[in-house]
Amino acid sequence: GAGVSQSPRYKVAKRGQDVALRCDPISGHVSLFWYQQALGQGPEFLTYFQNEAQLDKSGLPSDRFFAERPEGSVSTLKIQRTQQEDSAVYLCASSLGGGTGYYNEQFFGPGTRLTVL
Amino acid sequence: AQKITQTQPGMFVQEKEAVTLDCTYDTSDPSYGLFWYKQPSSGEMIFLIYQGSYDQQNATEGRYSLNFQKARKSANLVISASQLGDSAMYFCAMREPGAAGNKLTFGGGTRVLVKP
Repeated sequence: GAGVSQSPRYKVAKRGQDVALRCDPISGHVSLFWYQQALGQGPEFLTYFQNEAQLDKSGLPSDRFFAERPEGSVSTLKIQRTQQEDSAVYLCASSLGGGTGYYNEQFFGPGTRLTVL
Repeated sequence: AQKITQTQPGMFVQEKEAVTLDCTYDTSDPSYGLFWYKQPSSGEMIFLIYQGSYDQQNATEGRYSLNFQKARKSANLVISASQLGDSAMYFCAMREPGAAGNKLTFGGGTRVLVKP
């Protein structure tokens, strides 16, 4: 399809395991965002890429969280040594433009629901 | 400090009636954007409507309209003629002024349940 896709849709990990979450943005979209959504709350910003450059990682909660977008398209969010508080839905979004343009609609993927036992 | 506040955690609305979802925001920057998203139980975030801070008129998109009161820093969403399929979580969001890439800050959401 033409939308943002994410995989896996569901992931169950044991505490201490490493996980990798994938995002395929809309083709040609310059900007890519990762958000974390805890149960019953609004999404919270994690990190932002403009093409392959990670321009903002201020929302990453700890150094266990790492994101990359090496070729400016697909992105991977990696969480090392998962903890129970990492349980959440991880949303990826992409937008056509970059920078601080007046209006850049973000298109969201379906999310990956991570459960850490 | 909360930048986006949605004070209604949940609302019931009768089918075919209108409902207003409250959103207030906090920013000192004159240039910003406000968004409303719908999130059904399936989890995807669906864009509904956008209002720019310099837009002279309130935004409208089909059954959705945004009651933008700039001086009060409020951007309430009005859904007219509610349908059963409108049952979902609704999030207000703001494009952070000056933020690289226009990252969004979301409110806590309002759950809407449309009754037949």
